Formats: sequence, structure tokens, C-alpha cells
Amino acid sequence: GENVEQHPSTLSVQEGDSAVIKCTYSDSASNYFPWYKQELGKGPQLIIDIRSNVGEKKDQRIAVTLNKTAKHFSLHITETQPEDSAVYFCAASKGSSNTGKLIFGQGTTLQVKP
Amino acid sequence: GAVVSQHPSRVICKSGTSVKIECRSLDFQATTMFWYRQFPKKSLMLMATSNEGSKATYEQGVEKDKFLINHASLTLSTLTVTSAHPEDSSFYICSALGASGGPDTQYFGPGTRLTVL
Repeated sequence: GENVEQHPSTLSVQEGDSAVIKCTYSDSASNYFPWYKQELGKGPQLIIDIRSNVGEKKDQRIAVTLNKTAKHFSLHITETQPEDSAVYFCAASKGSSNTGKLIFGQGTTLQVKP
Repeated sequence: GAVVSQHPSRVICKSGTSVKIECRSLDFQATTMFWYRQFPKKSLMLMATSNEGSKATYEQGVEKDKFLINHASLTLSTLTVTSAHPEDSSFYICSALGASGGPDTQYFGPGTRLTVL
């Protein structure tokens, strides 16, 4: 089955710097890759997603890149702010035409220091 | 749009009792809902997939008789933890597919913190 590896497990940056989180997946049939932000005691919140027919997607300070050949995708946050501090999860799915199940990475705790 | 609610947000119960958690999609019809369990500082572990009007599909290792799932309508799924024990204490989160964000996009509820004494 699908396996998603996420690195690093913790990341500390200074406010204003960029943060990059990387994930690799094992199943080449996966075609949908969302990223979630989870604050303490809350449910995950979708922040950006990308499908396998696209190599890059950007939404303001957040961008995601996908390399299908290498089976890895990355989250880029620019101009980080203290409110970006949270746990970030990547995930992979074969899409709702399959089971729609998401396989999650292990999570990255991002700390943005003011 | 794409709001998913859970009730209750927090519950404390005695060992041996049953607890029901509700998951509702507030502004869309969810063709499929999922139930996850999350331990402190860990990732989300999928427990089961719930489709309206049919039996839930459980992941390997999840006891279907202990974690009863009912998906009675396109906006409501329930998870009942039967005969709860302290080891069932966890953060339970549901998600739903079918919102306008796309057929593959899962939107998550705020979670339910279960503590079994």
C-alpha cells in the first residue's frame, strides 16, 4: 500500500524566513496531494492541494511543488509569521474515484520565532 | 463553505459506557465520510470509511464491533465507541468528501476529545 514519508519532523525558523517541508510517496497511482495545518486541539485545515497533472501551485505565501517522476512533493511557506506556527501534514490519495482515502505523513511541527 | 462539525467537542465517561460522536457536513452533502483517531503528537490514523446507506469499511486492526459507524444521511455520520476503556481515550476526527472544493478534497471536523476514566 501507499506510504508517505515527511521531513523534517520539526522546523524552527525566524519570522520572515522561508520554510520548506518535503514528502515522498511510494504508490505511483496516487494523484492527489493535499497539505493540512493543524493547531493544537483542533482538526486539520486544508491549506493547499495539488493534483498530478500540475507541477506547481501557489496561493499567496504558500506554494506546493510536485515531482511525479521522483514521487515527491514539497510545501513552501514564504515570509513566515508567528501565526504560521502549527503542525503541518502532507497526504496522498488515489482520488475519490478510488476510495478517496488519504495516507498521511508523520507531520512537521513548525515554529516561527518572532 | 465546506464546514464540518462534530459533537461533542469533549467528553469524559466511565469505563464500560458507550459514547456517540456525531459528524455533520453543514453546507454540503457528503458522499463519503471518514473517521480518524489521533494520539498526542502523532499523525492521523484512518479507522474507517463511511458511505451513506451502506456499511462502513474498516481499516485493518480496527474492531468494527467496538467502533460502530452509522451514516444515515448525506450530512450525518456517527461513531459509537462501545464499552469504552481507558485505552480508547484519544482525539477522534471526522472528515467529509463532496464539497465544492473538488471531489477528492476532504474537509475535517474540529475533533472530539474522548477521555475514559
